[in-house]
Amino acid sequence: QVQLVQSGAEVKKPGASVKVSCKASGYTFTGYYMHWVRQAPGQGLEWMGWVHPNSGSTKYAQKFQGRVTMTRDTSISTVYMELSSLRSDDTAVYYCAMSSSPRFDYWGQGTLVTVSA
Amino acid sequence: QSALTQPPSASGSPGQSVTISCTGTSSDVGGYNYVSWYQQYPGKAPKVMIYEVSKRPSGVPDRFSGSKSGNTASLTVSGLQAEDEADYYCCSHAGSDIYVFGTGTKVTVL
Repeated sequence: QVQLVQSGAEVKKPGASVKVSCKASGYTFTGYYMHWVRQAPGQGLEWMGWVHPNSGSTKYAQKFQGRVTMTRDTSISTVYMELSSLRSDDTAVYYCAMSSSPRFDYWGQGTLVTVSA
Repeated sequence: QSALTQPPSASGSPGQSVTISCTGTSSDVGGYNYVSWYQQYPGKAPKVMIYEVSKRPSGVPDRFSGSKSGNTASLTVSGLQAEDEADYYCCSHAGSDIYVFGTGTKVTVL
């Protein structure tokens, strides 16, 4: 069965960077896009971008351009999302989500990133 | 890219139907048949309920249906059940391989 297992919660200071991982299993890792979606406390879902594990190509939402980097390591079926220059409004649960078509089929459990001085 | 507009809340009694709208523009909802809907319980990851406007993944009850007219997509939940009480989000492809979510709707079963 498809599983996406994310790294644990993080606490960061403003201006720092955070790198969240998402380990995939149960399917052909290189065959499907991996997206990142975040959700601030009490707020809605926000699409951040995707990485294609086969080619490493990426696409980011304009809002995060220059601050986000999505990468992958095919040897361990893991994708990463790094967000830099953190601000308090980056406090959110970050999800990875695998897509086989224009929909998000499977989701990770989420990683809470807290930005606080 | 602005978020798609959804009503903040919707409600219905058990057995009734509720319809949630999702309004975008011709650059997203109106331009592509790639609207999907997600159900989310508090503290849980979202789950896809509808994709490509009106298709249901296997395992999703046929009480859930989707449609689109112009720049507005809709999700209808028929025969409401207590377990349908959750937050619902639409999402649309918006060209150039980017996506945008709706603002979210909290569905309450009275």
